[in-house]
Amino acid sequence: DIQLTQSPSSLSASVGDRVTIACQASKDITDYLNWYQQKPGKAPKLLIYDASNLATGVPSRFSGRQSGTEFTLTINGLQPEDVATYYCQQYDDFPLTFGPGTKVDL
Amino acid sequence: EVQLVESGGGLVKPGESLTLSCAASGFTFGSHTMNWVRQAPGKGLQWVSSINGNSEYKYYADSVKGRFIIARDNANQSLYLHMKSLRAEDTAVYYCARYVRDLWNGYQYYFDYWGQGALVTVSS
Repeated sequence: DIQLTQSPSSLSASVGDRVTIACQASKDITDYLNWYQQKPGKAPKLLIYDASNLATGVPSRFSGRQSGTEFTLTINGLQPEDVATYYCQQYDDFPLTFGPGTKVDL
Repeated sequence: EVQLVESGGGLVKPGESLTLSCAASGFTFGSHTMNWVRQAPGKGLQWVSSINGNSEYKYYADSVKGRFIIARDNANQSLYLHMKSLRAEDTAVYYCARYVRDLWNGYQYYFDYWGQGALVTVSS
């Protein structure tokens, strides 16, 4: 199975800060990596697909990059509504796997 | 408007069975691979199972293989998860999630729509 590790597991930042979350895959998954945002009590929401493509309707302050098997999600200018847990997810192979999540608060 | 509505959750005892349903609307159901993803209380997301559009291919997490069966009824736009021999560790919110397309029908696969979730509690 493909393992995804995320760092940090949680972080606190201020409004307007740049926030970066890392996701490391245990093997080469090309760019088959998605990012989701989940707010408490809600279903996850797609942010980024295929490592760097912004999903429809997602603010441009969110971006994704890839370097080999390391993927990063960046929020440029954190907003109060960005308080959530963020998950990476690979679809290179079954079983599909998610990272453990990164909780972002203010 | 795409809608996914889960039902069938509840409290069951260890060893019992339960079936979850997901009613889909607003899109051509048979053209999409459908999935179940669960989240234990206070924990992260865990993929459970996937089924392609014509039900030819079904995939399961090792933790549920042999106990859970995924099925779909395209005529009625419904997805199911038949769960048996339930364990305490199966306690979770179960989400029905749509894949953006059917498997092997292009590139770029991601969960683009999710239901609101159904809580399954396994406890004596």
